[in-house]
Amino acid sequence: DAMVIQNPRYQVTQFGKPVTLSCSQTLNHNVMYWYQQKSSQAPKLLFHYYDKDFNNEADTPDNFQSRRPNTSFCFLDIRSPGLGDAAMYLCATSRVGGEQYFGPGTRLTVT
Amino acid sequence: KNEVEQSPQNLTAQEGEFITINCSYSVGISALHWLQQHPGGGIVSLFMLSSGKKKHGRLIATINIQEKHSSLHITASHPRDSAVYICAVRDDKIIFGKGTRLHILP
Repeated sequence: DAMVIQNPRYQVTQFGKPVTLSCSQTLNHNVMYWYQQKSSQAPKLLFHYYDKDFNNEADTPDNFQSRRPNTSFCFLDIRSPGLGDAAMYLCATSRVGGEQYFGPGTRLTVT
Repeated sequence: KNEVEQSPQNLTAQEGEFITINCSYSVGISALHWLQQHPGGGIVSLFMLSSGKKKHGRLIATINIQEKHSSLHITASHPRDSAVYICAVRDDKIIFGKGTRLHILP
């Protein structure tokens, strides 16, 4: 049974057109993470939530925003995607200090 | 800042071979993760370690806290083990290694 679900799996958007990626979990974990992974690179943490407490990485561009309306759902909003934002976006969840469970990722293409 | 180094970067082996992937880090950590990523992107958590050794099927992970080193072993390797294996360490945040690309030939 899928525990961390990401939708869509593949997303194509136009340069500058806002896009939202979604993540949901059935694990009732209180921590949720968004990572960006570009080709042949390690995942890069964008931000994470401890419950509703939002933690932004210092080098995450302002173009990236996130919302967590409840424990189960978390959204990544890219306000004005550029060509450099094309990547795999990975959502993960965990208990505090615990093992992370990753979703399958959303591959974003910017045209 | 913790530096995470993995070796080798790329590894090709024949089916059945014993595989070892190494990970070293520079600063004390609270836990170390081994992750597997197949082509197409999805990441699967294989192990989370803070000491000693863990085994799951053909996979074994060890960690030496004093030496700041961990190894992932695969016994009786199989082509379906072909993937990128990523070491990640947790101090106040998670830091990922660059991964080891493993290719097992039939």
